[in-house]
Amino acid sequence: GNSVTQMEGPVTLSEEAFLTINCTYTATGYPSLFWYVQYPGEGLQLLLKATKADDKGSNKGFEATYRKETTSFHLEKGSVQVSDSAVYFCALSRNFGNEKLTFGTGTRLTIIP
Amino acid sequence: ETGVTQTPRHLVMGMTNKKSLKCEQHLGHNAMYWYKQSAKKPLELMFVYSLEERVENNSVPSRFSPECPNSSHLFLHLHTLQPEDSALYLCASSHYEASGSFGQFFGPGTRLTVL
Repeated sequence: GNSVTQMEGPVTLSEEAFLTINCTYTATGYPSLFWYVQYPGEGLQLLLKATKADDKGSNKGFEATYRKETTSFHLEKGSVQVSDSAVYFCALSRNFGNEKLTFGTGTRLTIIP
Repeated sequence: ETGVTQTPRHLVMGMTNKKSLKCEQHLGHNAMYWYKQSAKKPLELMFVYSLEERVENNSVPSRFSPECPNSSHLFLHLHTLQPEDSALYLCASSHYEASGSFGQFFGPGTRLTVL
């Protein structure tokens, strides 16, 4: 079956540090890949996505590249801000029928000034 | 109002109560979802509705009963819940086409506490 594995948190970084949150997946066929972010007290927001191999999703300074050879979709940001503190979820979606999302367990990120 | 809205945002209920959670999407999407988010556990997909038809039910106890009267509204009816059902319940919607997925859009959630 499909599964998503994220790096364990929590992750604590200083402002302006470089961020990487690792995500690897197991899936049949060619899934779409997503990163969602959940700020305190809110629902999940779609941060970025990639629908085929070698696609790069980007938004708000975050980037992730769909690597089929390593089955990975790592999230990166060159310089984090305090406002980036949130829980980040990697997810995949099968591309038929409907969009059932399989989520990772989430990584809590805290940025300190 | 835009996006996905959920009401109420917070709900406290006893084990013998009956209540309903409401979700409404203003995005013209054709699929809606209920998720349960518990502390220190992955998001659990509960139900999927595609074009108002339930297409997935992930072994959810019968004390949770979904209803999708039209493509914009989704309800979760609750009765005789247990304390372990306390969680954040998230609604999501998406527009699916055979050409690929566009991602799900989530509401803010209903924080449910069962006493």
